[in-house]
Amino acid sequence: EAGVTQFPSHSVIEKGQTVTLRCDPISGHDNLYWYRRVMGKEIKFLLHFVKESKQDESGMPNNRFLAERTGGTYSTLKVQPAELEDSGVYFCASSHGQGSTYEQYFGPGTRLTVT
Amino acid sequence: SQKIEQNSEALNIQEGKTATLTCNYTNYSPAYLQWYRQDPGRGPVFLLLIRENEKEKRKERLKVTFDTTLKQSLFHITASQPADSATYLCALEDRGSTLGRLYFGRGTQLTVWP
Repeated sequence: EAGVTQFPSHSVIEKGQTVTLRCDPISGHDNLYWYRRVMGKEIKFLLHFVKESKQDESGMPNNRFLAERTGGTYSTLKVQPAELEDSGVYFCASSHGQGSTYEQYFGPGTRLTVT
Repeated sequence: SQKIEQNSEALNIQEGKTATLTCNYTNYSPAYLQWYRQDPGRGPVFLLLIRENEKEKRKERLKVTFDTTLKQSLFHITASQPADSATYLCALEDRGSTLGRLYFGRGTQLTVWP
């Protein structure tokens, strides 16, 4: 079974540019999560999709971040325009059922560096 | 909001000993607690989940306890091996409100030396 995949693995952009991160969850997983780890801090929740619907987006830092999950399959997270404080590792995770009674499977992450 | 604290940033032990990692939390609501392992350059990997009505869970050399009075979970690795060296993350799901969302601690970096 293929795991959660994320693309790209690394991205270096300049302040003010746009970046789009992609996540492909495990096939059949309705739940998709985005998390972020800023250097020296803990992993923090960004948002949660159930199929194509946003279940909880209370962790999104501001309106420069836009997440989509068209068709309930893969998801994209766009940052526009990027700021220096957006640097960090962005993780995507998926799970099968409702809530975290089911374990979350994490992707390897996308390391974003904004210069 | 939930606050998760893992008391030790780093723990160094000798091979064969038992490693014990601590996770404390606030604003219990109730909660499910999970432990993950993370290796450098990789995403977290699920190890164990324990519910608020469970005192203890075991899986091979791993054991997790959950004390809702102390608001604390202990994670034990018995007969530790150098291959157990990694960062271990505690994560809590607040079952009273935001189902699915995990609150993470900063992690404890475990090093097992031969």
